[in-house]
Amino acid sequence: ETGVTQSPTHLIKTRGQQVTLRCSSQSGHNTVSWYQQALGQGPQFIFQYYREEENGRGNFPPRFSGLQFPNYSSELNVNALELDDSALYLCASSLNRDQYNEQFFGPGTRLTVL
Amino acid sequence: DAKTTQPNSMESNEEEPVHLPCNHSTISGTDYIHWYRQLPSQGPEYVIHGLTSNVNNRMASLAIAEDRKSSTLILHRATLRDAAVYYCILRDWGGAGGTSYGKLTFGQGTILTVHP
Repeated sequence: ETGVTQSPTHLIKTRGQQVTLRCSSQSGHNTVSWYQQALGQGPQFIFQYYREEENGRGNFPPRFSGLQFPNYSSELNVNALELDDSALYLCASSLNRDQYNEQFFGPGTRLTVL
Repeated sequence: DAKTTQPNSMESNEEEPVHLPCNHSTISGTDYIHWYRQLPSQGPEYVIHGLTSNVNNRMASLAIAEDRKSSTLILHRATLRDAAVYYCILRDWGGAGGTSYGKLTFGQGTILTVHP
């Protein structure tokens, strides 16, 4: 069974650019959540996708957007990058969106905005 | 979101038990208590969860106070591989307008150092 994978591993962008991060969920999982983790902080919830629809959103501006595909893989898009967007972006998949389901995290994508 | 309070850091010696405390005085009746840990340079990893009763699995035990306002994660024999940041999380529904989702609200966590 393949775990959650993310690409790319590292990325360097400049302020104002746009970026797309990708996540492949674990087999059989229909729910994907995205988190942002700044250095030295705990992960912060960005949004969740359940069966191709956004199922909830944290306190992030609209320039953070996402997609989930029929195979339940997902993308996180960030427009108009700012320096504060530099962080580790984590994707997590789960069997379902319920509160008692374990979330399986990928290794993350390290984004640096210069 | 109901919040949790954990010590910033704890230390242990290898092969000794470790008790990681968590306070959650504002917990609601339907909040599950989850523990995740994050090893260096990795994504978080599920450890254990519970609602009211104590729970055991191959990784750890979770002891939940009778009033559910606190809990303790117990690592029975710490190893060097257990050195990580441990997060105590109350899993809530969140959302509005009928939308429900089981997001994880991470705090600062407890940095566990294990000495050989």
